Amino acid sequence: QSVLTQPPSVSAAPGQKVTISCSGGTSNIGDNFVSWYQQLPGTAPKLLIYEDNKRPSGIPDRISASKSGTSATLGIAGLQTGDEADYYCGTWDSGLSVNWVFGGGTKLTVL
Amino acid sequence: QLQLQESGPGLVRSSETLSLTCIVSGGSISSSDYFWAWIRQPPGKGLEWIGSVYYTGTTYDNPSLKSRSTISVDTSKNQIYLNLRSVTAADTAVFYCARQLASGSWTFDSWGPGTLVTVSS
Repeated sequence: QSVLTQPPSVSAAPGQKVTISCSGGTSNIGDNFVSWYQQLPGTAPKLLIYEDNKRPSGIPDRISASKSGTSATLGIAGLQTGDEADYYCGTWDSGLSVNWVFGGGTKLTVL
Repeated sequence: QLQLQESGPGLVRSSETLSLTCIVSGGSISSSDYFWAWIRQPPGKGLEWIGSVYYTGTTYDNPSLKSRSTISVDTSKNQIYLNLRSVTAADTAVFYCARQLASGSWTFDSWGPGTLVTVSS
C-alpha cells in the first residue's frame, strides 16, 4: 500500500490528452516538491517533472504538471504510442521518519 | 555525460546478504550537489526507495527495511554500494542506483539501467 495514491491505469486515444493524479497528505505532497517519472517497458525510470511542474531539458512541453494542496497531477497532451509506459509520482514524506515515497504507478495505454 | 552502472550477483540464497555496486562515470560522486540512491522494483510491481548516501557517508534509509540495508560510498573509486542482509524471496527485484539532487525537490535525475537480483531458497 503506497503512501501516494495513483490510479492503476488510464487510457486515451492518440492525439488526446490524459491526466494522472497522485494523492497524498500533508506530510508528503502537502509539504514537499513532487517529481514524476516515466518508465518505458523494460527500461529504467526517467525523470519527467521536478519541483512540482518543471521539465528537465529534453522533455517536450506537451508534458505538464501541477500541484494543489495534497494532490499532484501529470498531464500528457498530443498522446503518441511511444507514451505507453508506467508513470510514477514521488516526494519526501517528512512524517514520523524521513522517507522518500513513490506512488504505486499508473499504466498509460494509448488506444 | 553521467553514467551509472549497477553490478552484482544475479542470484542470492535466502537468509544471506545481497551486495551490489554502482559504478559512476562521467561525474564525481564527491559533488556537494548530489546524494546517491538505491531504489528497487520487484517484478511487475512499483518502485521502492531503499536509501541515499552523501559523499561524506551520511545516509538516509527506508525505515521499512528494518535496518537490513547498508549504503556506503568509496570516493576514490567513484562507487556506491548496497548491502541488504537476511534476504528473502520478497527481496527479489531489479535494483537501480540513481543520482539524487541534494536540495530542492531531491529528485532522482539520472538512473542506471538496473540489475535483477533473484533470491532463491
